Amino acid sequence: EDKVVQSPLSLVVHEGDTVTLNCSYEVTNFRSLLWYKQEKKAPTFLFMLTSSGIEKKSGRLSSILDKKELFSILNITATQTGDSAVYLCAAQGGSEKLVFGKGTKLTVNP
Amino acid sequence: KAGVTQTPRYLIKTRGQQVTLSCSPISGHRSVSWYQQTPGQGLQFLFEYFSETQRNKGNFPGRFSGRQFSNSRSEMNVSTLELGDSALYLCASSLAPGASREQYFGPGTRLTVT
Repeated sequence: EDKVVQSPLSLVVHEGDTVTLNCSYEVTNFRSLLWYKQEKKAPTFLFMLTSSGIEKKSGRLSSILDKKELFSILNITATQTGDSAVYLCAAQGGSEKLVFGKGTKLTVNP
Repeated sequence: KAGVTQTPRYLIKTRGQQVTLSCSPISGHRSVSWYQQTPGQGLQFLFEYFSETQRNKGNFPGRFSGRQFSNSRSEMNVSTLELGDSALYLCASSLAPGASREQYFGPGTRLTVT
């Protein structure tokens, strides 16, 4: 059965810290991995990764995929209180369904 | 460009009733997927529609059903509601189906079953 595991489940940091969120996956015929940020309601799209070793960046956020070791990381540098959210990782495989992890709840304290 | 919209935003129903939720995708997007989000199970895939046809279905009982209209708007229906159906129901749209596509979520419908 396809599954996605995120770690840690919860993380508390201070403003200015750098954080790394982890996502490992086991998905049949893997095609892509997606990261979302969920603050109140709708998860907002961050990145989609399909190729190993190619870093995607958006401001202070970056992500990379390792298809050999079946994991991805999401880095956030110089964290701000507005980064506080649940970060969701999801994998798509041959079934084309998005399989989500349980999420990492990030709290950034001032 | 307007995002994905869902109506209603909140619903309270009693056990045994049925409910219909609506989702309008981003303009030009033709694929709509539905997800259930609960604290215990996280986000779980319900089904996906494209060109008015169900392309994919998750592991949910037959009480959960959906459809898509020619304008790509989609509805999902839950019959004979149970307490465990209380959840945030999210829909996501993408340009087309496929395994490497960006999906954009709506704000969700919060369903409470009493």
